Amino acid sequence: GEDVEQSLFLSVREGDSSVINCTYTDSSSTYLYWYKQEPGAGLQLLTYIFSNMDMKQDQRLTVLLNKKDKHLSLRIADTQTGDSAIYFCAETYSSNTGKLIFGQGTTLQVKP
Amino acid sequence: DTEVTQTPKHLVMGMTNKKSLKCEQHMGHRAMYWYKQKAKKPPELMFVYSYEKLSINESVPSRFSPECPNSSLLNLHLHALQPEDSALYLCASSQGGSGTEAFFGQGTRLTVV
Repeated sequence: GEDVEQSLFLSVREGDSSVINCTYTDSSSTYLYWYKQEPGAGLQLLTYIFSNMDMKQDQRLTVLLNKKDKHLSLRIADTQTGDSAIYFCAETYSSNTGKLIFGQGTTLQVKP
Repeated sequence: DTEVTQTPKHLVMGMTNKKSLKCEQHMGHRAMYWYKQKAKKPPELMFVYSYEKLSINESVPSRFSPECPNSSLLNLHLHALQPEDSALYLCASSQGGSGTEAFFGQGTRLTVV
């Protein structure tokens, strides 16, 4: 079935690293995404990873994928106050619809 | 340019009103989507258009009527809505299929009174 789970809240100090975790249940997931949503705004695509990859790095962002455990994580290095937002992981399947299944979202609070 | 533009940004409507939400993209994307997002919840898919044809309707009530006049535009016509339909309505577009990046607009904050 389609199910994506995330922890709801994470609080870090400015300058620390943040790690946001996500688990998914469907082994046919092909692509996994991280989106950021600031208050009152739409969703900003941060990065994505194909299911046959283990890791992807993009500047301060590192995505790790453990396909065996169906576990995805997003690490933000040197977290800034501007990183405070809700982070959604999402998955799509091998079908051609492009439908995204979202997790519940993790609220990241960055304290100065 | 990865911009998806939605208008209006805010909309207040009565339960007997008819209104429309608009979405536009100029990235040449062939798939466009409507999502509904309630407060503190993830977006939920409503409709998918692929090559200007409706390909997915996630059992959305008929008081929501999507329209895709051309490959760059997507509308959502609203009629006889209920207060529980108040939400953020998000439009997205992508090249289509899995593994393509979906870009979202800023959304329309809809309040039904």
